[in-house]
Amino acid sequence: NAGVTQTPKFQVLKTGQSMTLQCAQDMNHNSMYWYRQDPGMGLRLIYYSASEGTTDKGEVPNGYNVSRLNKREFSLRLESAAPSQTSVYFCASTPGGRDFLGYTFGSGTRLTVV
Amino acid sequence: LAKTTQPISMDSYEGQEVNITCSHNNIATNDYITWYQQFPSQGPRFIIQGYKTKVTNEVASLFIPADRKSSTLSLPRVSLSDTAVYYCLVSGGYQKVTFGTGTKLQVIP
Repeated sequence: NAGVTQTPKFQVLKTGQSMTLQCAQDMNHNSMYWYRQDPGMGLRLIYYSASEGTTDKGEVPNGYNVSRLNKREFSLRLESAAPSQTSVYFCASTPGGRDFLGYTFGSGTRLTVV
Repeated sequence: LAKTTQPISMDSYEGQEVNITCSHNNIATNDYITWYQQFPSQGPRFIIQGYKTKVTNEVASLFIPADRKSSTLSLPRVSLSDTAVYYCLVSGGYQKVTFGTGTKLQVIP
């Protein structure tokens, strides 16, 4: 049981390049999330998907787009990377619904934009 | 959305009990209180969750007073491997939840 899998684990981009961060969960969870964590900071929510077919903005959505491809997969796209997007990106999932059972996080993608 | 407040950092000697308190004055009726642990270069890991009173598992206890406006994570007899950042989170379902900066616990030999 892998839980939440993120790819790639590391990436270096040049300013203006685009890329997609992939996330997949195998726990049949309904809700999925993308967070970013800057050095010494807490996690900030970029986008989330309450259920398959829906997405919504979090605290820091500018410069990002997301796609909930199916129930398992939730991708994050940077269309034109900027140095300010250098961060560690975490994907997470929850069962969703009335009985909140907490987040399961992936191991993160460390992104550097030069 | 419930905002949480925690101490920025704490130090403790090995073998001591550590209590980290989180304030969440505007917690909603259907919100749960969940604590996470994060080591460097890893995603946060679920520690314990509760709704009211006391919850205990194999690694920690969670104390929640009747008014639910605060909660205390208790780590018994900490070791060096407990050095991490601890986050308190208040949420119920798929709300837009942002983690705070957490409490950085340093365990000293």
